[in-house]
Amino acid sequence: NAGVTQTPKFRVLKTGQSMTLLCAQDMNHEYMYWYRQDPGMGLRLIHYSVGEGTTAKGEVPDGYNVSRLKKQNFLLGLESAAPSQTSVYFCASSSGQSGNEKLFFGSGTQLSVL
Amino acid sequence: QKEVEQDPGPLSVPEGAIVSLNCTYSNSAFQYFMWYRQYSRKGPELLMYTYSSGNKEDGRFTAQVDKSSKYISLFIRDSQPSDSATYLCAMMAITGGFKTIFGAGTRLFVKA
Repeated sequence: NAGVTQTPKFRVLKTGQSMTLLCAQDMNHEYMYWYRQDPGMGLRLIHYSVGEGTTAKGEVPDGYNVSRLKKQNFLLGLESAAPSQTSVYFCASSSGQSGNEKLFFGSGTQLSVL
Repeated sequence: QKEVEQDPGPLSVPEGAIVSLNCTYSNSAFQYFMWYRQYSRKGPELLMYTYSSGNKEDGRFTAQVDKSSKYISLFIRDSQPSDSATYLCAMMAITGGFKTIFGAGTRLFVKA
């Protein structure tokens, strides 16, 4: 079982460059999420989606965009990367409102912005 | 003030010890209380969840929720080196879009 798959696993960007992080889940989950994890800050929600074609802002959405064109995929974009976006990014999914207490996470993407 | 407060540790214990991990929170609307375990360079994985108040036991792990004190705990009995990880508490309200709020995580080291 693949579960939640994130690509790439590591990336180094220069300030101002753009990139897209891809998340794919094979559990037919309705909800998908993007979190960032920083030392001492825990996991903070960037954006989330409650179904195909929908997106919503989380706690720290500035500088990021997302798209959910297919139910199984959730893309996170950085249009103009900044050093403050150096972090570990995690994608997660859940089955829906009655099952959102159970988040399934990918293995993360370590991003460094120089 | 953060909605969920968790001591980051690190916490170092000898093998076989009982470990107590704790979180406090401020939002009385939280109804679901979860504990995630995260090994180094891996994504978090759900360890236990509890709805509302009370205790829940699963093998060596016991989760406790005291809503009156806004305090949750995870106990690990007979701790093993394989329990060495970061433990994240998490909470969710039924209202507000079912979003999960995480604590900062406590790093645990179990020494053989």
